[in-house]
Amino acid sequence: DAGVIQSPRHEVTEMGQEVTLRCKPISGHDYLFWYRQTMMRGLELLIYFNNNVPIDDSGMPEDRFSAKMPNASFSTLKIQPSEPRDSAVYFCASSLWAGTYNEQFFGPGTRLTVL
Amino acid sequence: AQSVTQLGSHVSVSEGALVLLRCNYSSSVPPYLFWYVQYPNQGLQLLLKYTTGATLVKGINGFEAEFKKSETSFHLTKPSAHMSDAAEYFCAVSEIAQKLVFGQGTRLTINP
Repeated sequence: DAGVIQSPRHEVTEMGQEVTLRCKPISGHDYLFWYRQTMMRGLELLIYFNNNVPIDDSGMPEDRFSAKMPNASFSTLKIQPSEPRDSAVYFCASSLWAGTYNEQFFGPGTRLTVL
Repeated sequence: AQSVTQLGSHVSVSEGALVLLRCNYSSSVPPYLFWYVQYPNQGLQLLLKYTTGATLVKGINGFEAEFKKSETSFHLTKPSAHMSDAAEYFCAVSEIAQKLVFGQGTRLTINP
């Protein structure tokens, strides 16, 4: 069974450009999470969805960041315009609600470099 | 608010030695606790979790952790380190079951 799929795996762009990161969750999972990992701030939750609906976006750093989940098998995280401080590894994770807790399955991440 | 503190950003042990990675949490309600492992250039993989019941939980690759409510701790151990254990380890806590709050991570190095 395929795990969480993220694309691209690496992205290098110039400051001011639009960046779109993509995620395909595990089939049947009803939660999707976007995280950002940096040396300085560690692993931060940006936003999560339940049944394609955004539940908590309090971790989204600013208006330059937006996330969508148009259907159960696809989500995007967009940064427009990008800045050098956005350089990080972005992870997508998905889970299936088990009644008491979620075991989150992580994708391999997208390493974003903004020059 | 819930939080996690991992003591020691870097731990180094010899192959065959005991591995002990420390995690303390702050939570106003009984928490759900998790340990994840991250190998280089990979995503996080669940090692083990505590939800309810037995306080000593066993995970993959010979790791185990003990939930100690009185000490608000959830330390990760392995009796004998292997070279393949070299990775970064993250402790996480969840009060609201959907969300996880991660510690800063501990990088484990194994010396031959």
